[in-house]
Amino acid sequence: GAGVSQSPSNKVTEKGKDVELRCDPISGHTALYWYRQRLGQGLEFLIYFQGNSAPDKSGLPSDRFSAERTGESVSTLTIQRTQQEDSAVYLCASSDRGGLSYNSPLHFGNGTRLTVT
Amino acid sequence: AQSVAQPEDQVNVAEGNPLTVKCTYSVSGNPYLFWYVQYPNRGLQFLLKYITGDNLVKGSYGFEAEFNKSQTSFHLKKPSALVSDSALYFCAVRGEFSGGYNKLIFGAGTRLAVHP
Repeated sequence: GAGVSQSPSNKVTEKGKDVELRCDPISGHTALYWYRQRLGQGLEFLIYFQGNSAPDKSGLPSDRFSAERTGESVSTLTIQRTQQEDSAVYLCASSDRGGLSYNSPLHFGNGTRLTVT
Repeated sequence: AQSVAQPEDQVNVAEGNPLTVKCTYSVSGNPYLFWYVQYPNRGLQFLLKYITGDNLVKGSYGFEAEFNKSQTSFHLKKPSALVSDSALYFCAVRGEFSGGYNKLIFGAGTRLAVHP
């Protein structure tokens, strides 16, 4: 079946412009994560959606970052007034509920490589 | 607060030798522990997880990991390394479900280099 799909795969934008990144999770997956991975570094948690509950936004680095998810489907990550330090690969991942303990593995997309010039 | 540490930026091992990639964690309650691998120019893939039960868990590609509660560790191991195992390995942890929805936190990653 289809995996997690992210678009665009690459995005080059000028400093100060807004960008919108899209994630299509696996159908039926209730959990959706956004992570940021800077070159040669680990995964930085950004935001977590679980079903229809309020998202955990504790990882968003500034108010320029926001994300939305419609029900249990598509999510968009928006970065306003982009800065050069926003350059990174933005990874989306989804998982099913995995029972009461929410311990199912994440399925990752291939990411969107964002370059801010 | 949840946290996970991978103390080694890089691990070098000769092909055929055993390998260990270290991970320690801190969570409230019982931990759910995961290992993921990122091959060059490819997405992250799930390797294995510990939820409960036997402390030694086996996963994909011959990897295994040992949960040690007293040392709060979950080291990744393989008896005989292959050059094709060279990749970036991430340990991840989330706390036990407690009425909230605990997010999955990743370590900084360890680059494994297996030399012929």
